[in-house]
Amino acid sequence: QSVLTQPPSVSAAAGQKVIISCSGSSSNVGSNYVSWYHRLPGIAPKLLIYDNDKRPSGIPDRFSGAKSGTSATLAITTLQTGDEADYYCATWDGSLGVLVFGGGTTLTVL
Amino acid sequence: QVQLVQSGAEVKQPGASVKVSCKTSGYSFTDHYLHWVRQAPGQGPEWMGWINPDRGGTSYAQKFQGRVTLTRDTSVSTAYMELSSLKSDDSAVYYCARDMGSTSNWFQFEYWGQGTVVIVSS
Repeated sequence: QSVLTQPPSVSAAAGQKVIISCSGSSSNVGSNYVSWYHRLPGIAPKLLIYDNDKRPSGIPDRFSGAKSGTSATLAITTLQTGDEADYYCATWDGSLGVLVFGGGTTLTVL
Repeated sequence: QVQLVQSGAEVKQPGASVKVSCKTSGYSFTDHYLHWVRQAPGQGPEWMGWINPDRGGTSYAQKFQGRVTLTRDTSVSTAYMELSSLKSDDSAVYYCARDMGSTSNWFQFEYWGQGTVVIVSS
């Protein structure tokens, strides 16, 4: 059972928008930066968002992050079939003293 | 460009140890902390610990304390993760990842190794 809660799966049609949630607590999401990764089968995770809402160079602005209280979200607009992957949120947990990841959300583009 | 290249797949028996290497290039090795993360099939990623390549300092997740050892060799810009007393549930893909912060930990990783599959089976 992950410390950060994500929906197991989300789906939307190509061209549409999807939002993936990441729910935590005051000791993790509520007090530390959140990052988001996606992982394609057989490939290493790729950083999409850091510091809650910043994009590394090369990540298109179709990807955006936000945080409010103890929850964070990743929004992906103009969905493409290439966006199909597993998505994970992550943040430091000050009570546990570890970096924690969400259980992951599988995105299906219809 | 920044690259992290890991050693190849390993098959180990229960009780044995495994040592995975992570050779870096394209940046100053001592400028960024390196972390190790593993992911078992069907599960989310799990953070194992970090090493400061400059001074060699380490920190481990409590779950792995006493079983994991992170080291580095600055002469070849390579970090190592050794996990001992292997059990079947240690079977996973093990990744090294470079911290975004320079000389401090951000716990956010822009560059990852390609992953090393470790299978623990008798």
